[in-house]
Amino acid sequence: DTAVSQTPKYLVTQMGNDKSIKCEQNLGHDTMYWYKQDSKKFLKIMFSYNNKELIINETVPNRFSPKSPDKAHLNLHINSLELGDSAVYFCASSQDENNQPQHFGDGTRLSIL
Amino acid sequence: RKEVEQDPGPFNVPEGATVAFNCTYSNSASQSFFWYRQDCRKEPKLLMSVYSSGNEDGRFTAQLNRASQYISLLIRDSKLSDSATYLCVVNHGGGKLIFGQGTELSVKP
Repeated sequence: DTAVSQTPKYLVTQMGNDKSIKCEQNLGHDTMYWYKQDSKKFLKIMFSYNNKELIINETVPNRFSPKSPDKAHLNLHINSLELGDSAVYFCASSQDENNQPQHFGDGTRLSIL
Repeated sequence: RKEVEQDPGPFNVPEGATVAFNCTYSNSASQSFFWYRQDCRKEPKLLMSVYSSGNEDGRFTAQLNRASQYISLLIRDSKLSDSATYLCVVNHGGGKLIFGQGTELSVKP
């Protein structure tokens, strides 16, 4: 039983396209996150939602728009994809927003041609 | 200055060795601390939380020094399966995790 699942696992697309990545958690957690890991392996937080409400929004281009239809789902839509968007995107969840460990999905590898 | 700094390594050690990783963080208001492990092309997985009193989980011991803003991880009796990248992680509050760049460990037979 996968606790945090992301789809798709691999995404190869051309510059300028719009794409979405989906994330679901079955842990009953209130808080979900999106992270980006670039080629230099740094993991950086992008967004966080607590019970469907946005609580963290780092300096991310507004081409990236998260959406949380319910607390078990946090999707990421990216418009007008650019070469620099190539990275691994990880979804994560935690029980709440207060100092709890986070559990990660296995990542979506996005490659822009 | 990076918010969380680690020696990137790689650390190449023989099986059975003891290896120590260090990490410093810049935000004195940081609230909680963790070590995560990341295998090549996989997701980060929680190894252990880190407490001021120090905590141990089998062969792994973590320590936090809030005054010095320093976190450590000690691995005793290294196994081949310990080969991975170890990520020092600091929670700034509100779930905002700041990751270090990771320390790569390679355990050789």
